[in-house]
Amino acid sequence: AQSVAQPEDQVNVAEGNPLTVKCTYSVSGNPYLFWYVQYPNRGLQFLLKYITGDNLVKGSYGFEAEFNKSQTSFHLKKPSALVSDSALYFCAVRGGEMDSSYKLIFGSGTRLLVRP
Amino acid sequence: NAGVTQTPKFRVLKTGQSMTLLCAQDMNHEYMYWYRQDPGMGLRLIHYSVGEGTTAKGEVPDGYNVSRLKKQNFLLGLESAAPSQTSVYFCASSYSNPDLQLNEQFFGPGTRLTVL
Repeated sequence: AQSVAQPEDQVNVAEGNPLTVKCTYSVSGNPYLFWYVQYPNRGLQFLLKYITGDNLVKGSYGFEAEFNKSQTSFHLKKPSALVSDSALYFCAVRGGEMDSSYKLIFGSGTRLLVRP
Repeated sequence: NAGVTQTPKFRVLKTGQSMTLLCAQDMNHEYMYWYRQDPGMGLRLIHYSVGEGTTAKGEVPDGYNVSRLKKQNFLLGLESAAPSQTSVYFCASSYSNPDLQLNEQFFGPGTRLTVL
């Protein structure tokens, strides 16, 4: 069964420092991976996705994610954090290569807190 | 272009009452989804639909029913609400793509439901 794990409930970083939010996955077949962000009292917003190709994927708001097949990881990164990046981040994996419904399986979420 | 909208935004029910949550999208998306979000558990799929007139069960379907009579609308019903259904409910939609390029899901702002 497909699953995704976000091992950190919260990540704290100072403004201007690089940030990493971790995600590992387990899928059968090729992994299709996503990152979403949720600001307080809002719905989820798409950040980026990995389908195939370059292992470094660039997305919205200066975020990028590195796909590592051998470590089954898809960590979210940003070179210089902003206070406005503080939010809840979700990693998600598509529910199987043969699943034509594009169902997503979400991790439990990681709260990012960027202090001034 | 409003994207994905949900009504109502908030609702308080008593145990045993029924209600319907409405999701509407104006992007002509084929696929629509209902999720619930609970603390520390990420988002879990309740039901989904791959087209008008079709629905299917997700990860946590018990106690919920859905209907997709029109392509732009996806209704989630609770026939007899229980305190365990206290949650934040999110609707999402996405394109279907014959080339199997995965398109991201677009989320609504959520409905906060409390069952007393």
